[in-house]
Amino acid sequence: DQQVKQNSPSLSVQEGRISILNCDYTNSMFDYFLWYKKYPAEGPTFLISISSIKDKNEDGRFTVFLNKSAKHLSLHIVPSQPGDSAVYFCAASAHMGGGADGLTFGKGTHLIIQP
Amino acid sequence: DAMVIQNPRYQVTQFGKPVTLSCSQTLNHNVMYWYQQKSSQAPKLLFHYYDKDFNNEADTPDNFQSRRPNTSFCFLDIRSPGLGDAAMYLCATSRAANTEAFFGQGTRLTVV
Repeated sequence: DQQVKQNSPSLSVQEGRISILNCDYTNSMFDYFLWYKKYPAEGPTFLISISSIKDKNEDGRFTVFLNKSAKHLSLHIVPSQPGDSAVYFCAASAHMGGGADGLTFGKGTHLIIQP
Repeated sequence: DAMVIQNPRYQVTQFGKPVTLSCSQTLNHNVMYWYQQKSSQAPKLLFHYYDKDFNNEADTPDNFQSRRPNTSFCFLDIRSPGLGDAAMYLCATSRAANTEAFFGQGTRLTVV
């Protein structure tokens, strides 16, 4: 049973436009959310994160929005650039009192930026 | 420059022959993780170490073991690899809970 869902396996966006990647989760214990970017033959690279006490976090061209009531988060990339073409993974964590938990990942969305 | 290093990048092993994958880090992070990622699937956590404390995921097969002899190194041992164990194995580290994890480039395991 997938606790983190990325329902779009792929997304094609024109260069310069906004890319919006979506992610839904089912576990209400998740309180920390991350986006990772992965190029072929490389490991995932951390992009941006958000804690459940916030509803928005911005870093340059990347903004993550969190809607806790809908258990939904999204990553906005604007403007989209050719180098943004990659697989984007949504991940979530449930912090339980000081221990370290691993991340639960979605299956990823392959973003393709068209020139 | 690489902070989380996995060796080898590609590993071919025979069905049933024990194999060890290695991971090292220069970040001095407390936590080290092993993930398994099969084609078009989400990375799946196998286990992690918080310092020396080992935490196994409930559904990780007994065939998979791990060792962390010191802060910098962590090993994944597959005792008797089956064809279904062919996957990308990702090592990651993090400073603590609720901080981002840094991944290595992964080891692609093929079982023949």
